Amino acid sequence: AQKITQTQPGMFVQEKEAVTLDCTYDTSDQSYGLFWYKQPSSGEMIFLIYQGSYDEQNATEGRYSLNFQKARKSANLVISASQLGDSAMYFCAMRGRIQGAQKLVFGQGTRLTINP
Amino acid sequence: DTGVSQNPRHKITKRGQNVTFRCDPISEHNRLYWYRQTLGQGPEFLTYFQNEAQLEKSRLLSDRFSAERPKGSFSTLEIQRTEQGDSAMYLCASSPLRRGGHEQYFGPGTRLTVT
Repeated sequence: AQKITQTQPGMFVQEKEAVTLDCTYDTSDQSYGLFWYKQPSSGEMIFLIYQGSYDEQNATEGRYSLNFQKARKSANLVISASQLGDSAMYFCAMRGRIQGAQKLVFGQGTRLTINP
Repeated sequence: DTGVSQNPRHKITKRGQNVTFRCDPISEHNRLYWYRQTLGQGPEFLTYFQNEAQLEKSRLLSDRFSAERPKGSFSTLEIQRTEQGDSAMYLCASSPLRRGGHEQYFGPGTRLTVT
């Protein structure tokens, strides 16, 4: 079974600072994918970034980067130069490549608040 | 390219009534997913379609729940004899069937309240 753990229920950060959101995972699959989604108060889940388990480099998408440490089974999201619009819930998720390969398993989320 | 749409956005119903939700995926996305999200939790997988075939179902999907995707286009999720525990946000997502098509694109969700 796959499991995602997000240990930070809430984070408060000053605008323009960098922030790291923690995510650890557990899986018996050798091949898997890791995702981060943002959910603003409107409710829609917005895809941010993806990391494959065999990708040699950490994924980056604009201000978002994924700090992937395979041996530690961690996939932390780093947001550089935070903005007020970054305030939202953030979910880490994973997908296996074998059985149940199409479903995403989500963590409980971290609520990020950016203070002006 | 329009995104995933879901209707209705909100539904209030009395316990015991049947409800049906609709999801229109991004055009030409072969894969369609349903998730349920309760307050303070991450989404939980319910079911998955590839074209019109329902290929995977969670044990969360009790016999009161049924999902269809006729002709491999839009999908409907029906809940019969609703219970208060069914109150949640129901999210639909779609993704393309192609190499590297990893991410799932979510709709705005249907918020169900059972009174």
